[in-house]
Amino acid sequence: KAGVTQTPRYLIKTRGQQVTLSCSPISGHRSVSWYQQTPGQGLQFLFEYFSETQRNKGNFPGRFSGRQFSNSRSEMNVSTLELGDSALYLCASSFSGTPPNGYTFGSGTRLTVV
Amino acid sequence: AQSVTQPDIHITVSEGASLELRCNYSYGATPYLFWYVQSPGQGLQLLLKYFSGDTLVQGIKGFEAEFKRSQSSFNLRKPSVHWSDAAEYFCAVGEPTGTASKLTFGTGTRLQVTL
Repeated sequence: KAGVTQTPRYLIKTRGQQVTLSCSPISGHRSVSWYQQTPGQGLQFLFEYFSETQRNKGNFPGRFSGRQFSNSRSEMNVSTLELGDSALYLCASSFSGTPPNGYTFGSGTRLTVV
Repeated sequence: AQSVTQPDIHITVSEGASLELRCNYSYGATPYLFWYVQSPGQGLQLLLKYFSGDTLVQGIKGFEAEFKRSQSSFNLRKPSVHWSDAAEYFCAVGEPTGTASKLTFGTGTRLQVTL
């Protein structure tokens, strides 16, 4: 069974630009969560989508947004990039999104803002 | 709000030695508990999880963890470490409610294994 696929793996953007990251969950999984990982702040929850609806959101500015499609694939978008947005962005998929079902993470997208 | 503390930022052990990584959590009830491992440049791999029942949980790669409610701890152990275990280890908690859907992570413990 294929795992969680994140594309692209690496991305370099200029400050002020916007970026879109993609996540394809495990087949049959309806929940997709996004996390930001930085050396200073660690792993922080961005948001979670279930059946195309945002169900939970972390404490990030409105520049960070996401969506989920009917096939459960998800995208996250960051507008007006800042240097501090440089991070590893991880996507996790789950059957229902509740803890007992567990979360499987992708390999992440490494975003560098210059 | 729930929180997770991993007091050891960096641990070095010799190959073949035993390992214990500490994790303490703060939550009003018993949360769902997880240990993940991350190799450089990679995502997170689930080692084991605890939801209820037996407080000693077995995971992959020979790891186990013990839930101690009285100490709010969920320490990860391995009796004999292999060089390939060098990585960063994260403890995480999830809220046991129907609609809660996020994990709160500790800051991680980087494990170095000497030969």
